[in-house]
Amino acid sequence: EPEVTQTPSHQVTQMGQEVILRCVPISNHLYFYWYRQILGQKVEFLVSFYNNEISEKSEIFDDQFSVERPDGSNFTLKIRSTKLEDSAMYFCASEPAFENKQFFGPGTRLTVL
Amino acid sequence: GIQVEQSPPDLILQEGANSTLRCNFSDSVNNLQWFHQNPWGQLINLFYIPSGTKQNGRLSATTVATERYSLLYISSSQTTDSGVYFCAVGLGNTPLVFGKGTRLSVIA
Repeated sequence: EPEVTQTPSHQVTQMGQEVILRCVPISNHLYFYWYRQILGQKVEFLVSFYNNEISEKSEIFDDQFSVERPDGSNFTLKIRSTKLEDSAMYFCASEPAFENKQFFGPGTRLTVL
Repeated sequence: GIQVEQSPPDLILQEGANSTLRCNFSDSVNNLQWFHQNPWGQLINLFYIPSGTKQNGRLSATTVATERYSLLYISSSQTTDSGVYFCAVGLGNTPLVFGKGTRLSVIA
């Protein structure tokens, strides 16, 4: 069965550095999402992406964040200048056109020191 | 926006016991998914169940969309069932809203 993949699985960075989290959604899916989960808390929506543009974003998704679909397969989340509070698990999800189910990747654990 | 409440927040079971986890939501939805978060933090999709009943081995789920709740049943629990169970709801092609989860601990 096709899966959503994410790289890296774990990233450690210094405060103020830029990080790029990568996702490869399932190939025929059209809707893409990033979610964040701070340790011990619930999963929160960051941003959704459709037809090569942002379709919705949450209050968390401020100017420090950006998303791109640089080619037909990858979907990236960039954090320009990381803060301690950006430490979290980041999940990518994709959704096909014909079904409302979202398929989640295994996540990237980001640690900001 | 849609509110999602899960109960109980914590549950401790003896191995072999059965349990029921509940998810209430505040608005009509056409997507409801149950996830198990494993010790590595991965979200494992258990059920996509916007309505009706499904079974998968020792797990089953029922969603009564008209009454805005879903139940996840775990029978004959095993230590490997431990972890956090999340319910998430939404409308098609929109972000999912997650509950705070139920933390299950199964003791041998």
